[in-house]
Amino acid sequence: AQKVTQAQTEISVVEKEDVTLDCVYETRDTTYYLFWYKQPPSGELVFLIRRNSFDEQNEISGRYSWNFQKSTSSFNFTITASQVVDSAVYFCALSEANLQGAQKLVFGQGTRLTINP
Amino acid sequence: GAVVSQHPSRVICKSGTSVKIECRSLDFQATTMFWYRQFPKQSLMLMATSNEGSKATYEQGVEKDKFLINHASLTLSTLTVTSAHPEDSSFYICSARDTGGGRTTDTQYFGPGTRLTVL
Repeated sequence: AQKVTQAQTEISVVEKEDVTLDCVYETRDTTYYLFWYKQPPSGELVFLIRRNSFDEQNEISGRYSWNFQKSTSSFNFTITASQVVDSAVYFCALSEANLQGAQKLVFGQGTRLTINP
Repeated sequence: GAVVSQHPSRVICKSGTSVKIECRSLDFQATTMFWYRQFPKQSLMLMATSNEGSKATYEQGVEKDKFLINHASLTLSTLTVTSAHPEDSSFYICSARDTGGGRTTDTQYFGPGTRLTVL
């Protein structure tokens, strides 16, 4: 069965610090997708990134960067120079991909990130 | 692009009543939509997968007669909580799968959620 583990339940840092959110996954599938979503206090899930299992290139988008390591089944997310607006719950998710495309998502437990001014 | 709306955003109802929640993909067609439930400070749990024009697929432990799902068009899926009870109080979130092609195809985009409180 697929499983996503976000070992860090809560993280609190001071503004401008860098912070890394860990995500470890388990799957028997050779083809799969990994995602990160942000859930601010308003509740809506905001899509941040999708990575497929054949693409191990790291990605950077502004202050956000993602490190996909297939050898360790990890897909970690780093926020550089954190800001108060980054405060939210962040979810890592995994879905299997088949001939019909990506299917249902399995979510990690989420990491509550608090950025203090 | 890739906007999903949900209505209502908040509903309070008496025990025993039924509540309908709508999920719409506003700028793309979604043959597949998903319904999740989230309890306070917990992760999202998939309830069911809604497929346009066919019956929904429910996850183990989810009562299909209590949580009725209809996906009548490529942009609309509805979840009806029948005979709601206080234990059904939760945050319900839908998502729609973008299959239109492009870099983020097959990505699920989420609605803003519906907070249901059953008195």
